[in-house]
Amino acid sequence: GAVVSQHPSRVICKSGTSVKIECRSLDFQATTMFWYRQFPKQSLMLMATSNEGSKATYEQGVEKDKFLINHASLTLSTLTVTSAHPEDSSFYICSARDPGGGQGNTGELFFGEGSRLTVL
Amino acid sequence: EDKVVQSPLSLVVHEGDTVTLNCSYEVTNFRSLLWYKQEKKAPTFLFMLTSSGIEKKSGRLSSILDKKELFSILNITATQTGDSAVYLCAVEATYRAGSYQLTFGKGTKLSVIP
Repeated sequence: GAVVSQHPSRVICKSGTSVKIECRSLDFQATTMFWYRQFPKQSLMLMATSNEGSKATYEQGVEKDKFLINHASLTLSTLTVTSAHPEDSSFYICSARDPGGGQGNTGELFFGEGSRLTVL
Repeated sequence: EDKVVQSPLSLVVHEGDTVTLNCSYEVTNFRSLLWYKQEKKAPTFLFMLTSSGIEKKSGRLSSILDKKELFSILNITATQTGDSAVYLCAVEATYRAGSYQLTFGKGTKLSVIP
């Protein structure tokens, strides 16, 4: 089945540095990818929708300048946490839709394995 | 604002029991409802429901959607310890042409004890 690869799976950084997380669709092209954040024992919170070739759509309350999203190709979206602070420590997950899968045109949504960010 | 509410938030059952997990939603421009199982890492896909009244089955799991009542249930029969996980319900809505938005519920934590 379709696979979404996310890298790195774990990153530890110092406060004030920037961290980039990559999300790749390995065997399908994804015009849309989604970025989520998950705090311990809580559900996934959609942060933004990444659209290939155009600007990302951010959810209310998510800072665009802090969480930079780039969807430069049909198989790669990146999330950059800029000037990271300890409160940015979280589990970040991406997902992408396989337009060829699922029912009709809806397609099936696949998740990456997530990236655990720890900011010291 | 789109909303997805799951119940119960947590559930403890014995192996062999049957469980029903609930998901109700309020969204604009509904497109589909999805169920996921999350163990230690990222969620794994279970079902996608778009039409009312059509049950989807996969082994001991089944799910059905009621678009009139804005409600879905996930059934697990003959539960096993490997079913222990958080089950997430998500509703997808059309945000604008060609763009979709997912809203997740808080999940139901299922614990199956031997």
